Amino acid sequence: DAKTTQPTSMDCAEGRAANLPCNHSTISGNEYVYWYRQIHSQGPQYIIHGLKNNETNEMASLIITEDRKSSTLILPHATLRDTAVYYCIVRVVRSGNTPLVFGKGTRLSVIA
Amino acid sequence: ETGVTQSPTHLIKTRGQQVTLRCSSQSGHNTVSWYQQALGQGPQFIFQYYREEENGRGNFPPRFSGLQFPNYSSELNVNALELDDSALYLCASSEQGNTEAFFGQGTRLTVV
Repeated sequence: DAKTTQPTSMDCAEGRAANLPCNHSTISGNEYVYWYRQIHSQGPQYIIHGLKNNETNEMASLIITEDRKSSTLILPHATLRDTAVYYCIVRVVRSGNTPLVFGKGTRLSVIA
Repeated sequence: ETGVTQSPTHLIKTRGQQVTLRCSSQSGHNTVSWYQQALGQGPQFIFQYYREEENGRGNFPPRFSGLQFPNYSSELNVNALELDDSALYLCASSEQGNTEAFFGQGTRLTVV
C-alpha cells in the first residue's frame, strides 16, 4: 500500500504557482520522496526527488518539512500542459532498485 | 520521449488466451520493471528484472511472467487471461541504484 496521502484533486489558474501537498508521516530515515506525474494516456514522468533538503530543477521545486512527515511539490508557473495526475511516492534506498508504490495521486487541473 | 518503447500500443484478447507484451529499454539501462494500471488507479508493480533475472515481484499470480534479454529488452507474458486483466501495462527502465525510472507509453490490453 502507498505510504502517502494526497488530495484527490486540485485546480490552479494558468500562470500561477501550483502547490501540491503530500503527507508521509510514517516515512523512514532511508526513504526518499519522489514525485511523478502522468498526463492522460501517457506513462508516468519523473519530476523530482529528495531526502531531506529542498530540491529544485527545471520542472519543479520540492519542499520537505524538517520532520520529513510532509512535502510540497511546487510548479512555479503552471501551464495547461501541466494538467495531469501527480503522484507522491516514498521509496527506500538500498543498493538495488526498489519498486515505485503509487497511490491514486492528485489530479491537477490547470485552468485558463 | 523517454527512449522506452512498448509494443503493441493496443491489444484485444479473449478470456483464457495468452498475451505477450514487449518493452525496449532506454540505452544503458539494465533494469526493467513492469506495472499494471487499472482505470482510475495508480500503477501497481508486477515485477522487476535485472541482468536477465527477476529480482522483485509484487502481488501478482504466477500466470504473470517475464523475461529480460541480453540487450535488456523485456517481455511480459500473461497466461489464462481474465477480464480483470484489462488494463494499461507500463514498462519502466532504469539503472541500478534507485535512480529515476523512465516509463514507456504503455500497452492498453482489453480482455473480452
